[in-house]
Amino acid sequence: AQRVTQPEKLLSVFKGAPVELKCNYSYSGSPELFWYVQYSRQRLQLLLRHISRESIKGFTADLNKGETSFHLKKPFAQEEDSAMYYCALSGAGTQGGSEKLVFGKGTKLTVNP
Amino acid sequence: KAGVTQTPRYLIKTRGQQVTLSCSPISGHRSVSWYQQTPGQGLQFLFEYFSETQRNKGNFPGRFSGRQFSNSRSEMNVSTLELGDSALYLCASSDIRQGGKQYFGPGTRLTVT
Repeated sequence: AQRVTQPEKLLSVFKGAPVELKCNYSYSGSPELFWYVQYSRQRLQLLLRHISRESIKGFTADLNKGETSFHLKKPFAQEEDSAMYYCALSGAGTQGGSEKLVFGKGTKLTVNP
Repeated sequence: KAGVTQTPRYLIKTRGQQVTLSCSPISGHRSVSWYQQTPGQGLQFLFEYFSETQRNKGNFPGRFSGRQFSNSRSEMNVSTLELGDSALYLCASSDIRQGGKQYFGPGTRLTVT
């Protein structure tokens, strides 16, 4: 079964502090993992994907297949990082090309001044 | 390019009625996926269409159906509405060559009374 777990519903940090949003997944094949973000009054948008190995807005995420995790990290949080973050999984490479995404329940990050 | 558009943005229906929601993908995108977002269940995959064919389907009752037209525009239909169908319905389009990177619309807020 495909499953994505984000254990923290809410996360609050102070500006300049490091932040880590946790994500664990369950998938029998080779998944593709993503982080999507939704800022207040904006639509859901892709933040980063593991296959790209890139850093977006200072965020990075490393896929750990042994621990089946894809935690999102940023060394110094900014107030504009406050948003809802969703970890998502796709088996596009093994689902006959299907683009289906399985989402976690999301973590609301608040960065306090 | 213009983003994904969804119409209508808000809808109020009564139990037992049916509703049709529309989604126009980004130009050139042939894959369209639909998701239901509720506070309790989060984001759940409904179905995906590619080249007018349903490629994948989530665990929703047969009251939920969809289709895709030759210009890639998609509609989803919910018949015999129930109170529990109240949700934000999100449409996402993707270029399959970008594997899993989906672009989301603003959603249609459906309220069933």
